[in-house]
Parts: sequence; C-alpha cells; structure tokens
Amino acid sequence: GQNIDQPTEMTATEGAIVQINCTYQTSGFNGLFWYQQHAGEAPTFLSYNVLDGLEEKGRFSSFLSRSKGYSYLLLKELQMKDSASYLCAVRVSGGYQKVTFGTGTKLQVIP
Amino acid sequence: DSGVTQTPKHLITATGQRVTLRCSPRSGDLSVYWYQQSLDQGLQFLIQYYNGEERAKGNILERFSAQQFPDLHSELNLSSLELGDSALYFCASSVLDRVNYGYTFGSGTRLTVV
Repeated sequence: GQNIDQPTEMTATEGAIVQINCTYQTSGFNGLFWYQQHAGEAPTFLSYNVLDGLEEKGRFSSFLSRSKGYSYLLLKELQMKDSASYLCAVRVSGGYQKVTFGTGTKLQVIP
Repeated sequence: DSGVTQTPKHLITATGQRVTLRCSPRSGDLSVYWYQQSLDQGLQFLIQYYNGEERAKGNILERFSAQQFPDLHSELNLSSLELGDSALYFCASSVLDRVNYGYTFGSGTRLTVV
C-alpha cells in the first residue's frame, strides 16, 4: 500500500510564502499530484510531478524528489483566498493505475 | 462549474436505508472515479469505471456497489446504511483510464445518516 504524510495544519501571513511538505512511501511510484480543497467543496487540481525537480505555475510551485519520497507545494504572495486544505496524492503503476490521497494540510492565511 | 455533475447535493436518510448517488462525467471523459471523504479524513478511493467496465477497486464495502451506464453516467448504491457512512461522496472523471493531468471532481453529495 501507500503511506502519505503531510502536516495537519499550518498558518501563514497574507503576502508571505509558505511551503507545504509531503512525504510518501510506496512501490511503483508514477506521479504526484497536489489539489486544493476549500471546506465543503470539490478538490481542484493544482499540479502534477512525475520527474524530479520544480514545476512552477504562477504563484504556486511544486517540487519532487523521487529518491527521497518527498514533495512540497510552495505558495507565494499568499492571499486570504488561499486558506484551504492542500491534498498530496500519489499515483502508482501496475495494472490499472490508482491515485491515493493524503489527509491534507489545512492552511489558514491570516492578515 | 467543473463539468462533472453530481446529484443530489444533499441527502438525509435513516440507518438501514438504501440510497443512490448519481454522477455525470465531463463531456468526453470515459473514466469515472468514486471517493468518500469523512470528517477530517482524506479522500478514500472507492471504485473506478472506464467506458462501462470496472477498472479498479479500493476500500469499498460490500454494502456499496456502483455501475457505469452506456451513456457514461455512473451511480453509486449504498445499502444497509450505518451512521458511519455519513460523508461527502465525490465523483471525478478523466479522459483516459490513466490520470496524467489530474481528475476533475464534481461538487459532491453530502450524505447524512441519522
């Protein structure tokens, strides 16, 4: 099976930078996703990493190190609307590919 | 609007009852995935269908079943409901049976079992 660990909660200040870490243990790793989920709403796709390195998309960046089983999501110039849960999810290969989600990191942005 | 439609949005029912949740995938998507999200829990994968066929099964209870119809909409049937089945049930869709660029999620059905 897969084991995905993320901090449960984080707090950061509006305008600042925050890094949300995710570690995973799995066999057959075949990609890592980050999703944003506002309370009571559907998760929305943020990023996908399958190779090592940094992927940048506007204010959001995602990093992956496959050898370390580690990823982070970097949010810059934080806005109040960024207050949400951030879900790390891992895809494994072999047969029909499945995506397993971590329990998420609840980020609170304060003024 | 993500393009994935789930009905109903809210459902309140009694223990022991049976309910059906419905999902219409985004136009052109052949894969449908069902997830359960309980309070303070991560998204738990239940089951996946691709073009009408079951493709993968996760932690789905025997009391639960699903199917995907020729028009690609899917239904999740939950029977002999228990209090612990209260959760948000999400449907997601993707073009292929492999997810390279993430799923598109529906807005979910909030099930409350009383």
